[in-house]
Amino acid sequence: AQSVTQLDSQVPVFEEAPVELRCNYSSSVSVYLFWYVQYPNQGLQLLLKYLSGSTLVKGINGFEAEFNKSQTSFHLRKPSVHISDTAEYFCAVSSTGNTGKLIFGQGTTLQVKP
Amino acid sequence: GAVVSQHPSWVICKSGTSVKIECRSLDFQATTMFWYRQFPKQSLMLMATSNEGSKATYEQGVEKDKFLINHASLTLSTLTVTSAHPEDSSFYICSALQRFSYEQYFGPGTRLTVT
Repeated sequence: AQSVTQLDSQVPVFEEAPVELRCNYSSSVSVYLFWYVQYPNQGLQLLLKYLSGSTLVKGINGFEAEFNKSQTSFHLRKPSVHISDTAEYFCAVSSTGNTGKLIFGQGTTLQVKP
Repeated sequence: GAVVSQHPSWVICKSGTSVKIECRSLDFQATTMFWYRQFPKQSLMLMATSNEGSKATYEQGVEKDKFLINHASLTLSTLTVTSAHPEDSSFYICSALQRFSYEQYFGPGTRLTVT
């Protein structure tokens, strides 16, 4: 079984400041890792994913994440945030062997202040 | 590409009635679709996995007779909430797994309100 823990429920940050949203996972098997963003009353949009290869993954909108196997983490970072980045962010994991079933973290609300 | 639509985007129904929600992959084939439920300010809870041409697999605690799922084609899955009650009010989101890919594409969600 897998589980995902997003360590911060809310992250307030000023515009143009850097941000890191933390994600830790637990799994007894190899995993794929994902970060999704959700704007109010909308579905989820994929920011980035780690399947294999380089542990530093770059995504859309200037976001990147680093897979750390020893620490079982997949933290999301952006060097300079915009007001438009205000949204809910979800980290998710799926095992490499199944049909794509995702296990989501609890979500982190990123609040970008002017 | 890789667009998933849901219809309706919102619906209000009376207690005891049934509501059908459609999930369509518009430009790709999806052998597997997933249905999630999301309560306000909470994460997504997987309800069931829908495979084209076979019965859906429900997660523990999800009533299969209440939440009927049909995946009749490679581009369409439906979720029917039968005999809806106010506690079924929620945001329902579907996703579609693109064939030969590990990436899920999510629909925009359907807001169900049962009065």
